[in-house]
Amino acid sequence: DAKTTQPPSMDCAEGRAANLPCNHSTISGNEYVYWYRQIHSQGPQYIIHGLKNNETNEMASLIITEDRKSSTLILPHATLRDTAVYYCIVRAAYTGTASKLTFGTGTRLQVTL
Amino acid sequence: NAGVTQTPKFRILKIGQSMTLQCTQDMNHNYMYWYRQDPGMGLKLIYYSVGAGITDKGEVPNGYNVSRSTTEDFPLRLELAAPSQTSVYFCASSYSSPRLRDEQFFGPGTRLTVL
Repeated sequence: DAKTTQPPSMDCAEGRAANLPCNHSTISGNEYVYWYRQIHSQGPQYIIHGLKNNETNEMASLIITEDRKSSTLILPHATLRDTAVYYCIVRAAYTGTASKLTFGTGTRLQVTL
Repeated sequence: NAGVTQTPKFRILKIGQSMTLQCTQDMNHNYMYWYRQDPGMGLKLIYYSVGAGITDKGEVPNGYNVSRSTTEDFPLRLELAAPSQTSVYFCASSYSSPRLRDEQFFGPGTRLTVL
């Protein structure tokens, strides 16, 4: 699976959009971009994933550049409860076997009043 | 559904002791995983299982053993605890198919200290 690079930390004011970048310049054609987050040492939680089109769900939006070498996770109206470590993970599409995830150190997002 | 449950929540072991970390899921997932997370680091895969009776090593399997006798349970065994195994352990499960998003569901973790 391709390696990802994320900034170690970011701040965001409550109510504003939080934009978390991720570089994955070695991503291959069949690899998806997944985002998970981990709130205060709880187990990680799935947020969203995408292949090449932009994706949106009830939690966030995912914008993937046309060359697929980078992506941005957008939390449109950040709240204090969004304070967490956010992990960007690249992995192959469904392979018929276990989906092993490779976690880096992620981005620690601090949402402030 | 309770999701993924882990016991115990906390444990302190002496060097050389053994213990089993329990993990149970009630979502009928075929795949299960054990990760460890050291302070300030991301999660690392220890072992995983694609179904009852089938297990395989992950990135950091040394010092651990697993078994998968049922779909629901995936215990992790530490035989001779060492200080390097001080960590938080997370169990996860997933159901993989082409039409699903292949999301892993994580338990709350077991915080283990070896002294």
